[in-house]
Amino acid sequence: AAGVIQSPRHLIKEKRETATLKCYPIPRHDTVYWYQQGPGQDPQFLISFYEKMQSDKGSIPDRFSAQQFSDYHSELNMSSLELGDSALYFCASSLRGAGADTQYFGPGTRLTVL
Amino acid sequence: GDSVTQMEGPVTLSEEAFLTINCTYTATGYPSLFWYVQYPGEGLQLLLKATKADDKGSNKGFEATYRKETTSFHLEKGSVQVSDSAVYFCALLTPGGGKSTFGDGTTLTVKP
Repeated sequence: AAGVIQSPRHLIKEKRETATLKCYPIPRHDTVYWYQQGPGQDPQFLISFYEKMQSDKGSIPDRFSAQQFSDYHSELNMSSLELGDSALYFCASSLRGAGADTQYFGPGTRLTVL
Repeated sequence: GDSVTQMEGPVTLSEEAFLTINCTYTATGYPSLFWYVQYPGEGLQLLLKATKADDKGSNKGFEATYRKETTSFHLEKGSVQVSDSAVYFCALLTPGGGKSTFGDGTTLTVKP
């Protein structure tokens, strides 16, 4: 079965640079979620989109922005990168319109800021 | 807000020992409950889930029962293997497809 796809899988950036992470949800899923997992930490919710509209917002820094496109894929844009942004970024998708009771997680993008 | 409290780790067991990792939650409404496993350097894998009270989730010898009266979802396995060594996260999903809230994770090490 198709799973959530994230790209790139690994990304290395310098401080103050920008990064764009992409997420391709499971086909027909209408909701995308972004999570950040720092070293030794549990995943923290950043933001979610339902039917291309932002539906919930967590602890996402103002330097980050995200959107969901007409084909339901989502991009997380991160600017003015800081060392503390080094983390594993997960995307998850669900079919909220059908009363989703499970989020399916992608493999994550490991971002390293030098 | 919603929260998940997991038994503090790390947990070290010998092969074939019995495993319990405690998890309790606080939530409004009736969340779905999950256990995820994360191997070093890898992503989150869904281990098992339960969507309503008294449901039992099971997979690969692991089990957990949704106990509404005690707001708990403890993970158990009768006989652990070295390959079970990983970090285990308990999580809840807000009803209606909202965000997931995770516990702090419990690191399990199984020694031969």
